[in-house]
Amino acid sequence: EAGVAQSPRYKIIEKRQSVAFWCNPISGHATLYWYQQILGQGPKLLIQFQNNGVVDDSQLPKDRFSAERLKGVDSTLKIQPAKLEDSAVYLCASSPLTGELQETQYFGPGTRLLVL
Amino acid sequence: AQSVTQPDIHITVSEGASLELRCNYSYGATPYLFWYVQSPGQGLQLLLKYFSGDTLVQGIKGFEAEFKRSQSSFNLRKPSVHWSDAAEYFCAVGWVNDMRFGAGTRLTVKP
Repeated sequence: EAGVAQSPRYKIIEKRQSVAFWCNPISGHATLYWYQQILGQGPKLLIQFQNNGVVDDSQLPKDRFSAERLKGVDSTLKIQPAKLEDSAVYLCASSPLTGELQETQYFGPGTRLLVL
Repeated sequence: AQSVTQPDIHITVSEGASLELRCNYSYGATPYLFWYVQSPGQGLQLLLKYFSGDTLVQGIKGFEAEFKRSQSSFNLRKPSVHWSDAAEYFCAVGWVNDMRFGAGTRLTVKP
């Protein structure tokens, strides 16, 4: 079974530029998550989708971050414009059904973003 | 406010020695409890989880964790560490759909 795929693995941009990250979850998984992991901290949930609907985006800085999951499969997270403090690893995860914590979340390798 | 604390930022142990990583939480009720491992360049992998029942939980790779309600703790243990266990370990707590991670403990294994 293929795992969660993310691309690109690394990205360097200058502040005020825009950037997009892509995630393909495990086939058939209904729930998809985007996390931000700043150096020295644990992951923080940005947004959770169930199929193509948003379950929780309370931690997403909506003035600059956006995410979509068209057709309920893969997802894109965008930052526009980027700030220095957005430098982090962006992790995508998926789980099979409802996203309740009894389900195991499977994480991708992450995209490491550096904003200069 | 809900929180999870991993008091040790970095731990070094010798290969073959025992390991205990600490995790304390503050939550309104007994939350769901998790330990994840993150190897360099890899995503997080679930080691074990506790929802209810037996307070000693067995996980993958020879890890176990014990839930102690009186101490609000969920410490991770391994009797004999292998060099491949060198990684970052994250404790997480949650309820229903809300999961929060600790800041992590980096484990270094000396030969």
